[in-house]
Amino acid sequence: KQEVTQIPAALSVPEGENLVLNCSFTDSAIYNLQWFRQDPGKGLTSLLLIQSSQREQTSGRLNASLDKSSGRSTLYIAASQPGDSATYLCAVTYTGNQFYFGTGTSLTVIP
Amino acid sequence: EADIYQTPRYLVIGTGKKITLECSQTMGHDKMYWYQQDPGMELHLIHYSYGVNSTEKGDLSSESTVSRIRTEHFPLTLESARPSHTSQYLCASSAHNGYTFGSGTRLTVV
Repeated sequence: KQEVTQIPAALSVPEGENLVLNCSFTDSAIYNLQWFRQDPGKGLTSLLLIQSSQREQTSGRLNASLDKSSGRSTLYIAASQPGDSATYLCAVTYTGNQFYFGTGTSLTVIP
Repeated sequence: EADIYQTPRYLVIGTGKKITLECSQTMGHDKMYWYQQDPGMELHLIHYSYGVNSTEKGDLSSESTVSRIRTEHFPLTLESARPSHTSQYLCASSAHNGYTFGSGTRLTVV
């Protein structure tokens, strides 16, 4: 069974801080990794996709890195804002078919 | 702008009723999925399809069924709804550029 772990489970930071969310996976032979955000009661919104041949992807204040050899990915959020408050999920796929999801990190940014 | 659509967005229904949750995508993706998620909990894969006339059960046992007669359409059916089916149901499709999710259907069975 493929396992995806996200640490911490919950995080609370003051507005303006830079922060890092962590994702680890048991099998390094991934096809790609995707980061999502989920607002309460809503679907998942894709943030960044990293292909297995890539080491990082950037979108605005978000930067995701991938280290396959250590089985880790990090999502860096710069200058956090209250609107960033949500649950962040990472998901990995080994074949391009089914994705395996982590349990998420619940982020609260305090104004 | 969503390329994958789920209807209804919210549904409250009585025990024993038959319901169908709709999911359609306009991206031409072969792969489609249904996930079940309780509030604050992780996603559980209940059904998936890798193309027309192909459906498989996921990791979580579910009393629902699915069909895939057209590439763009992947409906989920509960023949007899029960309170234990109360949950959020999320539909997704995927291609080489990853997953795209719908907004979900929040189902309440009373």
